[in-house]
Amino acid sequence: GEDVEQSLFLSVREGDSSVINCTYTDSSSTYLYWYKQEPGAGLQLLTYIFSNMDMKQDQRLTVLLNKKDKHLSLRIADTQTGDSAIYFCAESAGGYQKVTFGTGTKLQVIP
Amino acid sequence: DAGVIQSPRHEVTEMGQEVTLRCKPISGHNSLFWYRQTMMRGLELLIYFNNNVPIDDSGMPEDRFSAKMPNASFSTLKIQPSEPRDSAVYFCASRPLRFGARGEGETQYFGPGTRLLVL
Repeated sequence: GEDVEQSLFLSVREGDSSVINCTYTDSSSTYLYWYKQEPGAGLQLLTYIFSNMDMKQDQRLTVLLNKKDKHLSLRIADTQTGDSAIYFCAESAGGYQKVTFGTGTKLQVIP
Repeated sequence: DAGVIQSPRHEVTEMGQEVTLRCKPISGHNSLFWYRQTMMRGLELLIYFNNNVPIDDSGMPEDRFSAKMPNASFSTLKIQPSEPRDSAVYFCASRPLRFGARGEGETQYFGPGTRLLVL
């Protein structure tokens, strides 16, 4: 079945860049997502990328996709304390299929 | 739009009691998901519906769990009888089945969750 893996924890200093990594196993993945969960809240979509793209940039966020290695990363430039949250990688084969989420990476930003 | 609405936001109950969690998806969304989140197991998909029809309930832990979607604007997740190991945050999410440009239709919108504690 589908599997999405992430490291559990990342700590960075305010102003530095953060890179959160994710690997997935489903070769039929069509959409890959990054969600953010702040304390006490639900998940919120940050960005997504089609599997036929290798990069997507949106303001401070850069998503890189290596489809050959099934590796996805999220880079946050100039990380702020408000970026402290849990970040979930997710994948979907598209159509009416379910979305498979990773375990989440807790990002701690040190002032 | 008010977003996905879940109730109650918090529930504390005793073992053996019936628990009913409620969800109102975003108007116009016709795909609905129930998830459970715990520290040990992370985010687990329990069941999802397309057009009010259950599509995949393989994530439902056992017969004590049941979910219904009687119409496009309401769904329930019931646990009967509840056990302490059911303590978790339960999320509902909805998604439109139409597909816009560049995959917007794939986006799931999450509710705030129901925090369940079974004593």
